Amino acid sequence: LAKTTQPISMDSYEGQEVNITCSHNNIATNDYITWYQQFPSQGPRFIIQGYKTKVTNEVASLFIPADRKSSTLSLPRVSLSDTAVYYCLVGSASKIIFGSGTRLSIRP
Amino acid sequence: ETGVTQTPRHLVMGMTNKKSLKCEQHLGHNAMYWYKQSAKKPLELMFVYNFKEQTENNSVPSRFSPECPNSSHLFLHLHTLQPEDSALYLCASSRQGAPDEQYFGPGTRLTVT
Repeated sequence: LAKTTQPISMDSYEGQEVNITCSHNNIATNDYITWYQQFPSQGPRFIIQGYKTKVTNEVASLFIPADRKSSTLSLPRVSLSDTAVYYCLVGSASKIIFGSGTRLSIRP
Repeated sequence: ETGVTQTPRHLVMGMTNKKSLKCEQHLGHNAMYWYKQSAKKPLELMFVYNFKEQTENNSVPSRFSPECPNSSHLFLHLHTLQPEDSALYLCASSRQGAPDEQYFGPGTRLTVT
């Protein structure tokens, strides 16, 4: 099973772009990369998912290099409400592993 | 409103009690999941059901017993729990199995005394 490694915490300021990188050296051919956001005492919420190259939606972008051994979640112009824990998942079928997550703190 | 509801939201039980957690999804999804999240730890996948069939049991102790009577409902039956089982128990559903986007419920905060 592919294990993920993320920074434990990050700090940024309102209006900045934030990039969170996840390492997954043992990613398998069938594995997708998915990012979730979690606020305290709530269930995680899906942000974005990709397999390779770049994916963009209304809230974030996901960059995946050709070797797929890492991925970067990009949050444009963050606000205070983006303060949360961000999880990178790698898996397919029933094999799902949440990593320790990155605690992102946004300051005014 | 995520479309996934969980009851109760909070539960305190003794080690000799038997209780059940309920999860219901109104999204027409075919896969449902139970996760455990202990304090300051990542989510741990416990069970996965796909089209009412259990497809994953992540070495969960037998004091946790899941039940999936239909694609919309998922239960977690609890008996003779230990204090270390105190955690946030989260239910999720997805249209198909992983890696489809999962929709999480608000969780049940369980305290075992």
